[in-house]
Amino acid sequence: AQSVTQLDSQVPVFEEAPVELRCNYSSSVSVYLFWYVQYPNQGLQLLLKYLSGSTLVKGINGFEAEFNKSQTSFHLRKPSVHISDTAEYFCAVGGNDYKLSFGAGTTVTVRA
Amino acid sequence: SAVISQKPSRDICQRGTSLTIQCQVDSQVTMMFWYRQQPGQSLTLIATANQGSEATYESGFVIDKFPISRPNLTFSTLTVSNMSPEDSSIYLCSAWAGGEQYFGPGTRLTVT
Repeated sequence: AQSVTQLDSQVPVFEEAPVELRCNYSSSVSVYLFWYVQYPNQGLQLLLKYLSGSTLVKGINGFEAEFNKSQTSFHLRKPSVHISDTAEYFCAVGGNDYKLSFGAGTTVTVRA
Repeated sequence: SAVISQKPSRDICQRGTSLTIQCQVDSQVTMMFWYRQQPGQSLTLIATANQGSEATYESGFVIDKFPISRPNLTFSTLTVSNMSPEDSSIYLCSAWAGGEQYFGPGTRLTVT
């Protein structure tokens, strides 16, 4: 069984500042890791994914994440945020059965 | 890739009634799933929709309440039966394709 813990429920950040959203997972098998974004009243959009290979993953909109197997983490970062990055961010873990377990979500609010 | 559509996009239903949600994928996929997102919450997997066999339900979800059909590799339905206000949620269909899980736009259900 897999589980995900997003360590920050809310992250306020000023425009053009960096942001990091923390995600830890637990799993007894090899994992696939994902970050999704959900803008207000919209569906889920994939930001990036780790399936295998390089542990530094680059995604859309300038986001990147690093898979750290020893620390069972998959933290999401962006060096400079925009107002439009205000959204809910979900970390998810999947295994060989392709089912996803989602974290509770992190609300990012970007202020001018 | 896969593009997923859902019908209806939203509905308001009276308690005690049932609603069937349709999910259509634009390509053949092996794995399809149904998730629920309760207001202000994260996503929870309801079941895996298996083509040609009964759906596989997660703990806390039962077939009598959430019957699922999967008649072919591009289509699935989820029925929410004997609805109560606690069933008010967004219901999302997803499919695994090309190393990624794609999500439909969701069906926003309100039960009065």
